[in-house]
Amino acid sequence: GDSVTQTEGQVALSEEDFLTIHCNYSASGYPALFWYVQYPGEGPQFLFRASRDKEKGSSRGFEATYDKGTTSFHLRKASVQESDSAVYYCALGADNTNTGKLTFGDGTVLTVKP
Amino acid sequence: AQTIHQWPVAEIKAVGSPLSLGCTIKGKSSPNLYWYWQATGGTLQQLFYSITVGQVESVVQLNLSASRPKDDQFILSTEKLLLSHSGFYLCAWSLVGGLNTLYFGAGTRLSVL
Repeated sequence: GDSVTQTEGQVALSEEDFLTIHCNYSASGYPALFWYVQYPGEGPQFLFRASRDKEKGSSRGFEATYDKGTTSFHLRKASVQESDSAVYYCALGADNTNTGKLTFGDGTVLTVKP
Repeated sequence: AQTIHQWPVAEIKAVGSPLSLGCTIKGKSSPNLYWYWQATGGTLQQLFYSITVGQVESVVQLNLSASRPKDDQFILSTEKLLLSHSGFYLCAWSLVGGLNTLYFGAGTRLSVL
């Protein structure tokens, strides 16, 4: 079945540090890939998506590039802020039959210290 | 702009009691609607989806049911809560069609004691 692996369960950084959260996927066909961010007590917010190889998604200074060769969609940000502290989820959608089924990774807790 | 409203914000219920959670979408006609569940500190799991009024498909069997009585409303319910039902329930919508982006509501926190 489809799966998403986020390597880092927790990441602790200082403001202005560079962020990388690794996301690798396993799916048949050509899935769409997503990043969501979830703040405490809230629902996940859509960050961005990519649907084809080499496509870059970006939002709020975060970016990721769809790499079909390495089956990856790593999240990066050049300079994090304390307000970026949240849980980040990588997800894939491989079922194009209107089911809305997304397979989420386990999430990465990002803590940014001032 | 589309808005998604979930109610209640939080519930504390006893094992064996009934439950009804709701979700309303405004600003989007005939969206696809979804229920997801998130255990505390865990990932998200799809429970149900609906592509039209009166039609709901179950994804996992968790002693829960869902209904879509109106185009903009999605209800999650059970007659008898279990301890394992505790968690965060999220309603989401998307445009019709495959592989569209899901947009989530603020969620309902359920504690079953």
